[in-house]
Amino acid sequence: DGGITQSPKYLFRKEGQNVTLSCEQNLNHDAMYWYRQDPGQGLRLIYYSQIVNDFQKGDIAEGYSVSREKKESFPLTVTSAQKNPTAFYLCASTPDRYWGYTFGSGTRLTVV
Amino acid sequence: AQSVTQLGSHVSVSEGALVLLRCNYSSSVPPYLFWYVQYPNQGLQLLLKYTTGATLVKGINGFEAEFKKSETSFHLTKPSAHMSDAAEYFCAVSDRGSQGNLIFGKGTKLSVKP
Repeated sequence: DGGITQSPKYLFRKEGQNVTLSCEQNLNHDAMYWYRQDPGQGLRLIYYSQIVNDFQKGDIAEGYSVSREKKESFPLTVTSAQKNPTAFYLCASTPDRYWGYTFGSGTRLTVV
Repeated sequence: AQSVTQLGSHVSVSEGALVLLRCNYSSSVPPYLFWYVQYPNQGLQLLLKYTTGATLVKGINGFEAEFKKSETSFHLTKPSAHMSDAAEYFCAVSDRGSQGNLIFGKGTKLSVKP
């Protein structure tokens, strides 16, 4: 079945470490997105990519980085510059703006 | 800039009662509108969407929503709540003139009492 796979489901990071969250889709969608979700704040856009080898910053890009070397993959790196990384991270993709997004099941990142 | 307002961060209904979750948007032209549902520790699932045509849109799990341009609203309803409807619901809007990124409301957590 087609879908989006996020891994790992749970991730623990020590202070000062960089960690990378994986997002893979087999839907042949061009656009991919990363959102951060905190209780009571809804979804906030971190980065998005409309095509391979191109991506744009969202509303809260500071402390994060991405790459889009393949259509299927859009990994997110949470760097040590992100001071409050504990959150639920969601990856999404879409073939077109009026299609709506397909979401992965999320990665919960906790700083220990 | 586009914005989405969901009235009520928490809504509680009894099983079998009407569910009404409110969503208002700000846009100078009719946007694309979406409702998503999220169960604990899971991703979001599309319930329904309005892009063009009929303003009453039916979705999965018995939910429907009506696009009212004059009120800039897209409220979500279900005639009879079920325990399994307990979840968080997000309204989202996409500007037709932009790259199409969805703007999400802050969510409404629905509780269903037996």
